[in-house]
Amino acid sequence: GIQVEQSPPDLILQEGANSTLRCNFSDSVNNLQWFHQNPWGQLINLFYIPSGTKQNGRLSATTVATERYSLLYISSSQTTDSGVYFCAAQGGSEKLVFGKGTKLTVNP
Amino acid sequence: IAGITQAPTSQILAAGRRMTLRCTQDMRHNAMYWYRQDLGLGLRLIHYSNTAGTTGKGEVPDGYSVSRANTDDFPLTLASAVPSQTSVYFCASSEIGGAEAFFGQGTRLTVV
Repeated sequence: GIQVEQSPPDLILQEGANSTLRCNFSDSVNNLQWFHQNPWGQLINLFYIPSGTKQNGRLSATTVATERYSLLYISSSQTTDSGVYFCAAQGGSEKLVFGKGTKLTVNP
Repeated sequence: IAGITQAPTSQILAAGRRMTLRCTQDMRHNAMYWYRQDLGLGLRLIHYSNTAGTTGKGEVPDGYSVSRANTDDFPLTLASAVPSQTSVYFCASSEIGGAEAFFGQGTRLTVV
C-alpha cells in the first residue's frame, strides 16, 4: 500500500518565524490532506490538496503529484499554531493513510 | 451542527468487558472509517465501510468489529477489551473516490 513519510518529526520555532513541513508519498494519489491536531486532540482539516497550491491566511500548501510530495508552509508562526501536523494520502482504491506527523512547538 | 459525532468522549473500561463506540454523521457521506491513534504510530485504520451494508478490514482490525446498517451510523465494537486497545479512536467520513475526509472529536478509551 501507499507509504507516507513526514519531516521533520519535531520542530521548535520562535513566534514570528516561518516554517516548511514536508510530506512524501510512495504512489500516485487522488487525495492528499493536511490536518492540525490541536492540544485538545481535535483533528482540524487544513487543506484538501491532491495537486496544486492553496492558501488560507498564514498557511499555504503545495502538492507536486508527479514528484510525490506535498509541502505545508506556515508563515509568521503563532503560539496557537503549536500541535501536531499530519499529512494523509489516498491512492486509487486504497484508504486514507497517515504519516506519523510533525510536532510543532512555537515559543513566545 | 453538521459533521461527525462520536460518543462517549472518554471511557475507562475493565478488561474483558464489551464496549461499543458510536459514530454518527449527517453529511450523507457514503464512506466511513475508524482509526486508532497511538503515540509514535500516528493514525491507523481499523475498519471502513464504502456504503451502507458493506464493511472492510483496515490495517489493525483484530479485536474489533463494525456494522453499517444505514448511511449515518458506523458503530465500532470491542467484544472483549484488552489493555492494548487503550487508545484514542477517531471516526471519519467522506464521499468515496478520493474525496476530503472529515473527522469526529475522538473517543479516549482506557482499558484497565
